[in-house]
Amino acid sequence: IQLTQSPSFLSASVGDRVTITCRASQGINSFLAWYQQKPGKAPRLLIKGISTLQSGVPSTFSGSGSGTEFTLTISSLQPEDSATYYCQQLNTYPYNFGQGTKLEIK
Amino acid sequence: QVQLVQSGAEVKKPGASVKVSCKTSGYTFTSYYIHWVRQAPGQGLEWMAMIKPSGASTTYAQKFQGRVTLTRDTSTATVHMELSGLRSDDTALYFCAREHGGDFDIWGQGTMVTVSS
Repeated sequence: IQLTQSPSFLSASVGDRVTITCRASQGINSFLAWYQQKPGKAPRLLIKGISTLQSGVPSTFSGSGSGTEFTLTISSLQPEDSATYYCQQLNTYPYNFGQGTKLEIK
Repeated sequence: QVQLVQSGAEVKKPGASVKVSCKTSGYTFTSYYIHWVRQAPGQGLEWMAMIKPSGASTTYAQKFQGRVTLTRDTSTATVHMELSGLRSDDTALYFCAREHGGDFDIWGQGTMVTVSS
């Protein structure tokens, strides 16, 4: 199963609402997770099961979607949200990741 | 608290093997699968393999079949990842991660493996 994220790069301002899309090459049920990664650090789980917010993650993050199209939304961008974001499917091995979306704060 | 602590950075020559360890703590070792993910410099995340600590069964990405071996030691709650036949394009940051029923909720800090002659 291939995952295609868009856009690959995103530049936005503090307070903006941003959306990242992840498209799967086939259905993955609800086994879709989103991660945030900062340079040199391990990824951090943000969203599991398409839309469930991981404990400790700000409520400005949300996930949605079904079938083969999924989105990660940040409702009000903060400076600390500057990072690369990845989607991952855990329905079928190999548990592939999307290619990543680098988010820059203007 | 739940932790995955990985072994330190490695520098290897082409053709050699490397073994990276992932020591778990703070939870029941045999209750959660452990996965390995790598990230080449400036690149994205690449899933490599999984082990079920309870029975030691494994699943490997086709790309790494025959080169990667996962083992576990229940006495020390540690998982080991060995990659053989190293090439320059195996230079990467290697992570272990705990699967929590449909997501990777806890990650190790990463181990840098550099392959250079």
